[in-house]
Amino acid sequence: GQSLEQPSEVTAVEGAIVQINCTYQTSGFYGLSWYQQHDGGAPTFLSYNALDGLEETGRFSSFLSRSDSYGYLLLQELQMKDSASYFCAVRPRSGGSYIPTFGRGTSLIVHP
Amino acid sequence: DAGVTQSPTHLIKTRGQHVTLRCSPISGHKSVSWYQQVLGQGPQFIFQYYEKEERGRGNFPDRFSARQFPNYSSELNVNALLLGDSALYLCASSFGQPGSGANVLTFGAGSRLTVL
Repeated sequence: GQSLEQPSEVTAVEGAIVQINCTYQTSGFYGLSWYQQHDGGAPTFLSYNALDGLEETGRFSSFLSRSDSYGYLLLQELQMKDSASYFCAVRPRSGGSYIPTFGRGTSLIVHP
Repeated sequence: DAGVTQSPTHLIKTRGQHVTLRCSPISGHKSVSWYQQVLGQGPQFIFQYYEKEERGRGNFPDRFSARQFPNYSSELNVNALLLGDSALYLCASSFGQPGSGANVLTFGAGSRLTVL
């Protein structure tokens, strides 16, 4: 089976840098994804790490270390609009089926 | 180009009733997945369909069923509704086959079901 652990809440101020961690237990997976969801909205894709290392997309970066069963999302130059829930998700290797697993999400609160 | 569209957006049912939720994927996407999201938690996988065949099923009772039509739209059916079925039901479409590449999910806005 698979399980992912994320902090339930993170707070930061505008302009700061924040890191949201994701630790996982899974027997094997294709990659680690991150999604953002604003209150009342749909989750939207942010990034995907197929390989170990850092992926950068504008103000957002994501990191994966398979040996440490660990990943994180890094948000730089925080803006008020970044206040949202952030979910990590894995795509496990499971025969021919595909059963993606999402973490419980981290609520990011950005203060002025 | 329209994104993933879901209907209805909100609905209220009573225990024991049946509900059908509908989803139209992004044009060109052949894979549709359904998720249940309870307030304060992450989306929980219910079903995935690719090319009209079920390719994955999450840990949900048989009261939950789904199908995909030739135009790749999909329906999620829930029978004998329970209070605990109250949730946001999300549909997501993706381009590739399950297990290929990043398989980025594009979610619809969801159908919020309240069971009284």
